[in-house]
Amino acid sequence: SQQGEEDPQALSIQEGENATMNCSYKTSINNLQWYRQNSGRGLVHLILIRSNEREKHSGRLRVTLDTSKKSSSLLITASRAADTASYFCATEETSGSRLTFGEGTQLTVNP
Amino acid sequence: DAGVTQSPTHLIKTRGQQVTLRCSPKSGHDTVSWYQQALGQGPQFIFQYYEEEERQRGNFPDRFSGHQFPNYSSELNVNALLLGDSALYLCASSLETSGGEQFFGPGTRLTVL
Repeated sequence: SQQGEEDPQALSIQEGENATMNCSYKTSINNLQWYRQNSGRGLVHLILIRSNEREKHSGRLRVTLDTSKKSSSLLITASRAADTASYFCATEETSGSRLTFGEGTQLTVNP
Repeated sequence: DAGVTQSPTHLIKTRGQQVTLRCSPKSGHDTVSWYQQALGQGPQFIFQYYEEEERQRGNFPDRFSGHQFPNYSSELNVNALLLGDSALYLCASSLETSGGEQFFGPGTRLTVL
C-alpha cells in the first residue's frame, strides 16, 4: 500500500514560474526522498532529506520536511519545459529498508 | 561508471506464462530492490536482496520470486502470469552502508495479454 499522498495530483505552470508539490506520509521515517520520472521511464533521484533535517537545497530544488506534521514539500524554482515529468516522494522507515512511494504529481511546464 | 541496467526493455507474454527479468546494479552496489509500477501509480516494493538472500518482501504473492548472484546482479521471476501483472518493473541498487539513496534502472515494460 502507498505510504501517503501527494498534492496536487497534477500541476500546470508557465516556464519561469515556481512549482510546489506536497507529500504526506503516515509512519516515522529515517529519510524522505524525491524522484523524477519522465514518461514511464526509470526514476531519477533528486534529493534526500534525513529525519533530523528541516530543509535542504540542491540547485533549483528546495525540500522541506516537517516530521511533526509528517509532511514534505518540493519547490522547483524558475521552472523549465524540461522539468515536465512526474514527481514522487518516497520514504525510508529504517536505514537500508524499502522505499514507500506516493502516487506522484504530474508537472507540466508550458513554454 | 555504468548505472543500473535492466533487460529486456519490453516484453509481451500471455496469461499463464512465466517471465524472468534481469538487473545489473550500479558498480560497487551490493543491494538490489525490485518495484512494480502500474500505469498512473507510484512504484510498489516487491522485495530486496542482499548477500544473495531475500531480506525484505512486500505484499506480493509467491508467484513473484527472485535471486541475487555472487556478482550482485539479480533476477525477478513471475510465474502463472495474470493480466494484472502488466506493469513497469523497476530495479534499484544501493550500497548497504550508504544510508538511503537508491539508483533506479530504466525498467522493463511487461505486457500480459
